[in-house]
Amino acid sequence: EVVMTQSPATLSVSPGERVDLFCRASQNVNSYLAWYQQKPGQSPRLLIYGASTRATGIPARFSGGGSGIEFILTISSLQPEDFAVYYCHHYNKWPRTFGQGTKVEVK
Amino acid sequence: EVQLVESGGALVQPGESLRLSCVTSGFTFSNYWMTWVRQAPGKGLEWVANIKGDGSEKYYMDSVKGRFIVSRDNAKNSLSLQMNNLRVEDTAVYFCVRDSWGRYYGSGGFDYWGQGTLVTVSS
Repeated sequence: EVVMTQSPATLSVSPGERVDLFCRASQNVNSYLAWYQQKPGQSPRLLIYGASTRATGIPARFSGGGSGIEFILTISSLQPEDFAVYYCHHYNKWPRTFGQGTKVEVK
Repeated sequence: EVQLVESGGALVQPGESLRLSCVTSGFTFSNYWMTWVRQAPGKGLEWVANIKGDGSEKYYMDSVKGRFIVSRDNAKNSLSLQMNNLRVEDTAVYFCVRDSWGRYYGSGGFDYWGQGTLVTVSS
């Protein structure tokens, strides 16, 4: 099983700041990596797939990068609606696994 | 508009069974892998099971193998999860999810999610 490790667990930031979230896989997952955003009481929303492709309707301030075992999700200028928990997820092989999540909270 | 609506969540005792259902609309159901993802209260996301569009392939997380069965009825655009011998640790919101993997070159990720249905296993 591929273990996905996200860092940091919590990030305290102010609106307008740049945010970098990290995800590391325990083995090579190529570019079969997705990122999701989940707000309290809501279902997750797909942000990025293929490590770097924005999903339909996702603002350009969200970008993804990396391949192999190291990945990054960048929010170029954090908006008030971006405070949420972010998860990475690989789909390179079975079983699929998620990271434990990074909570982006108000500083 | 793509819609996924789960039902069937309930409070059950350990060892009991429960069947979750998901009715979908707005897309050609048989063209997509479908997924169940769960989330324990206050915890992260956990992939549970996947089933191929024609139902010919199924995959499960280790802790539910032999207890859960994923199935689909393409004529009714519906997905099901039969959960047997439930354990306290199966308590979670269960999401029905569309998997875009394999639809076209480079596609992937869980692109549409239902609102979830709560399963509580407690004595």
